Amino acid sequence: DTGVSQDPRHKITKRGQNVTFRCDPISEHNRLYWYRQTLGQGPEFLTYFQNEAQLEKSRLLSDRFSAERPKGSFSTLEIQRTEQGDSAMYLCASSLAGDTIYFGEGSWLTVV
Amino acid sequence: AQSVTQLGSHVSVSEGALVLLRCNYSSSVPPYLFWYVQYPNQGLQLLLKYTSAATLVKGINGFEAEFKKSETSFHLTKPSAHMSDAAEYFCAVTPTGGGNKLTFGTGTQLKVEL
Repeated sequence: DTGVSQDPRHKITKRGQNVTFRCDPISEHNRLYWYRQTLGQGPEFLTYFQNEAQLEKSRLLSDRFSAERPKGSFSTLEIQRTEQGDSAMYLCASSLAGDTIYFGEGSWLTVV
Repeated sequence: AQSVTQLGSHVSVSEGALVLLRCNYSSSVPPYLFWYVQYPNQGLQLLLKYTSAATLVKGINGFEAEFKKSETSFHLTKPSAHMSDAAEYFCAVTPTGGGNKLTFGTGTQLKVEL
């Protein structure tokens, strides 16, 4: 069991550019979650998938954000036309339904 | 909707002293409760969880927490702090049965001094 893996770990981008983060969950975990964490705050829920279906999205997830999990395994989170307010750590997590949620190391985004 | 409140954004203790990090929950039904730890520039690691079995829950690294329904609390304790315990600690809640997502508190930064 290799744990939840996220890539890249750090990304610096110019305002207005698009960025994409990838998450590989723990194998056989059918649920995958995305959270966002800003400095001094706890993680905030963005969205989650059960297998390939996106079952819930937070109102924090604006139209510029899109997440996919095409084959029910890895997931991508894309942010279009990045803004400075998007600077945060993006955390991916996975679980079996109703079981403990395990987090990855996170992907830091800095928008300059 | 469930929520948790962590009292004290910063806690400082001496090495060897008792660690007490406070968490109160708000929920119309008994929830599941969790404590996670986050070391600098890393993700979150599960310390322990309460899922309606024993009210005193033991976790990793010598931490434990007690669910007190009458006080709506789930405080985290450790009898003797180590320097390696310095980190940020988050209390979190989900609906009973595991639910779909965690709702986190704002975190408590623990500093351990010599």
